[in-house]
Amino acid sequence: DAKTTQPPSMDCAEGRAANLPCNHSTISGNEYVYWYRQIHSQGPQYIIHGLKNNETNEMASLIITEDRKSSTLILPHATLRDTAVYYCIVIVGVGSGNTGKLIFGQGTTLQVKP
Amino acid sequence: EAQVTQNPRYLITVTGKKLTVTCSQNMNHEYMSWYRQDPGLGLRQIYYSMNVEVTDKGDVPEGYKVSRKEKRNFPLILESPSPNQTSLYFCASFSPLKRGTQYFGPGTRLTVL
Repeated sequence: DAKTTQPPSMDCAEGRAANLPCNHSTISGNEYVYWYRQIHSQGPQYIIHGLKNNETNEMASLIITEDRKSSTLILPHATLRDTAVYYCIVIVGVGSGNTGKLIFGQGTTLQVKP
Repeated sequence: EAQVTQNPRYLITVTGKKLTVTCSQNMNHEYMSWYRQDPGLGLRQIYYSMNVEVTDKGDVPEGYKVSRKEKRNFPLILESPSPNQTSLYFCASFSPLKRGTQYFGPGTRLTVL
């Protein structure tokens, strides 16, 4: 599975958009980009995932560059409850040898401030 | 409500005293796995199971056992716990037929004295 690189920490003002970058320059064609977050030692929570197209759901948007070497998670209106560690994970798609193992790096600690 | 449950949530025990951490999911997921989380090391997979009676080692299986007799349950067994197994443990499940997103339990904080 491809490795990812994320900044260790970021701050964001409450109500503003939080843009969290991730580099995955060695990503393969059959690998998806997944984002999870972990709020203060709780179980990680799925946010969003994508292959090559931009994706949006009720929690966030995911922008993947055309060459797929990097992506950005966007929380459109960050709240204090979005303070968490955000993990960008690259993994092969289901049916392509996916055993379910997620390789968590150090992630980005997002601090949303009032 | 779709969920993964773990018990106990907190446990303090002594070296060598066998213990079991239970994990149960109500989503009929085929895949289940156990992770441990340690400061500076992130989450690492201990064992995983792709279906009933099918289990395999993850990255850090030493000192642990698992079983998968039923689809919904995936207990983690520490036959002879040692202090280096003091950690935060998470159970997770997912279905390759359902987007492949994983659901994690709330965690079990284990201290081995």
